[in-house]
Amino acid sequence: KAGVTQTPRYLIKTRGQQVTLSCSPISGHRSVSWYQQTPGQGLQFLFEYFSETQRNKGNFPGRFSGRQFSNSRSEMNVSTLELGDSALYLCASSPATSGGADTQYFGPGTRLTVL
Amino acid sequence: AQSVAQPEDQVNVAEGNPLTVKCTYSVSGNPYLFWYVQYPNRGLQFLLKYITGDNLVKGSYGFEAEFNKSQTSFHLKKPSALVSDSALYFCAVRDIAYTGGFKTIFGAGTRLFVKA
Repeated sequence: KAGVTQTPRYLIKTRGQQVTLSCSPISGHRSVSWYQQTPGQGLQFLFEYFSETQRNKGNFPGRFSGRQFSNSRSEMNVSTLELGDSALYLCASSPATSGGADTQYFGPGTRLTVL
Repeated sequence: AQSVAQPEDQVNVAEGNPLTVKCTYSVSGNPYLFWYVQYPNRGLQFLLKYITGDNLVKGSYGFEAEFNKSQTSFHLKKPSALVSDSALYFCAVRDIAYTGGFKTIFGAGTRLFVKA
């Protein structure tokens, strides 16, 4: 099976712009989660989607949003970019068959740089 | 609230020696615990998880972890370290929401250096 794919892999934006990141989960996986990784804050949870519904959300401002499509693919959007949004954004998918016991499989990430 | 702590920022070990990367947890209820590894400019790779059952969990690449309920620890171990094991290791705990959704809470990470 192909792994989790994320596009683009690298992105450079300027402050005030908006960005959309894409994630394709492993085939058959129905839960998709997003995480932000920075040197200062580590890995932080953004949100989790299942069957096109957001089931859980982390402590991020409303500029961060996401959605999931009927084929389980997911996108996250960041509007009005700030310098502090520079980070590695990781997507993870899981089969959603064992609830909290499911293993999440991560994509390679999208490296976002905000100038 | 669920949390994990990795008390060591860095662990140094010689190739061929056993390695241990420490993790302690704080949870309400039964813990779902995970270990992941991250190589430079890569995503996280799953190593192993503890859900229930045997306290010794075996995972990928020869790694194993011991769940200790009394000490609330879940240390990652390998009997013989390889230079290629040098990477960033994350301990994590699953937090399940009332909605049925979940999130994974990660420790700060421990950088492992294996010297030849």
